[in-house]
Amino acid sequence: GAVVSQHPSRVICKSGTSVKIECRSLDFQATTMFWYRQFPKQSLMLMATSNEGSKATYEQGVEKDKFLINHASLTLSTLTVTSAHPEDSSFYICSARGRDERWEQYFGPGTRLTVT
Amino acid sequence: RKEVEQDPGPFNVPEGATVAFNCTYSNSASQSFFWYRQDCRKEPKLLMSVYSSGNEDGRFTAQLNRASQYISLLIRDSKLSDSATYLCVVNRGSTLGRLYFGRGTQLTVWP
Repeated sequence: GAVVSQHPSRVICKSGTSVKIECRSLDFQATTMFWYRQFPKQSLMLMATSNEGSKATYEQGVEKDKFLINHASLTLSTLTVTSAHPEDSSFYICSARGRDERWEQYFGPGTRLTVT
Repeated sequence: RKEVEQDPGPFNVPEGATVAFNCTYSNSASQSFFWYRQDCRKEPKLLMSVYSSGNEDGRFTAQLNRASQYISLLIRDSKLSDSATYLCVVNRGSTLGRLYFGRGTQLTVWP
């Protein structure tokens, strides 16, 4: 149980284009999903918290107009990187917390984004 | 001061060795504690939750000292497959369940 998938696993895009990343909880309903970014040799940085049916809560310094988050259902959250730039190249990971798990989060396999 | 602090290592140990990782957290209101492991270029995976009474899972033992705001992980009889980065993770008990991550401690087990 507690499987989270992400798609795509790897994406290369040109500067100025937008990229959508999907995060799905496969065998449980996720009331809350989290989006992280991780640069090489650094820890995970929380970007935003999304709750199903409401607006995402963004961390300080994260541009909400650039990183659009939609949590349309209890099993799906999407992150869209708009007008991507090379400095947005990173490893994006989502996690999900279910109704029954108090605080444990289960992570998706991540999406490696390269902006050329 | 960072929310969660860990010794980044690296720790390089031979197979069969016992190795211990330490972690401190700054917010005394923190309620839940975890160790995650992260392999290179992969997502973090939950290794074990840490309870006040201490808990053990096979070769892994986790301890929590709330008074000192200190968490530890002990790995006995290290295996090559234990090579990874170990993340100390803390939750303050907020309704959203936000987690705070340490930078991670890198472990390499050599044959």
